[in-house]
Amino acid sequence: SQQGEEDPQALSIQEGENATMNCSYKTSINNLQWYRQNSGRGLVHLILIRSNEREKHSGRLRVTLDTSKKSSSLLITASRAADTASYFCATDDNNDMRFGAGTRLTVKP
Amino acid sequence: DGGITQSPKYLFRKEGQNVTLSCEQNLNHDAMYWYRQDPGQGLRLIYYSQIVNDFQKGDIAEGYSVSREKKESFPLTVTSAQKNPTAFYLCASSIWTGGGYTFGSGTRLTVV
Repeated sequence: SQQGEEDPQALSIQEGENATMNCSYKTSINNLQWYRQNSGRGLVHLILIRSNEREKHSGRLRVTLDTSKKSSSLLITASRAADTASYFCATDDNNDMRFGAGTRLTVKP
Repeated sequence: DGGITQSPKYLFRKEGQNVTLSCEQNLNHDAMYWYRQDPGQGLRLIYYSQIVNDFQKGDIAEGYSVSREKKESFPLTVTSAQKNPTAFYLCASSIWTGGGYTFGSGTRLTVV
């Protein structure tokens, strides 16, 4: 069963704007991860945030986690056309990972 | 370079045939996973293995089989019992269960 659910399903922005994607989940987790997938390719791990962390940064990425609301957000600042991809959140509850359906991000040059 | 390799990239299968998808990693990861992805959807877990000679069913194991005879290898067989096998199959590995996953580039299976 899918654990995380991303919102929105699709997002279209102009280059230079910020992109925010949200993820909600249902059960308690050990950590939450964000991945990126270019069309027809495998997923690439972006960032992992543990259940006792509230915010994490990596380059232009900022991830927040609110365990009381069972939600996370991924912010991509100063977006580029090369950021165009699908972004997935994945939750680790016990021994395996569950992925959402993803947010399809399009960054227009 | 360390990584995870899936082969073939494209695979065509006739109805009633079994096919095996290869997944090899040289990352010295203990855990390996198989996911299925359908168009516009997320990933669904088929099987996973945390250690050699042991594996567990995921959410959609019916019609699939796996083996884990070596740490580096986790092949997936799509059997004729899988009624709708056309999909994109992704293999992944992690150094420990709950760590970040490294994914292969996928195998696209089409039934003809």
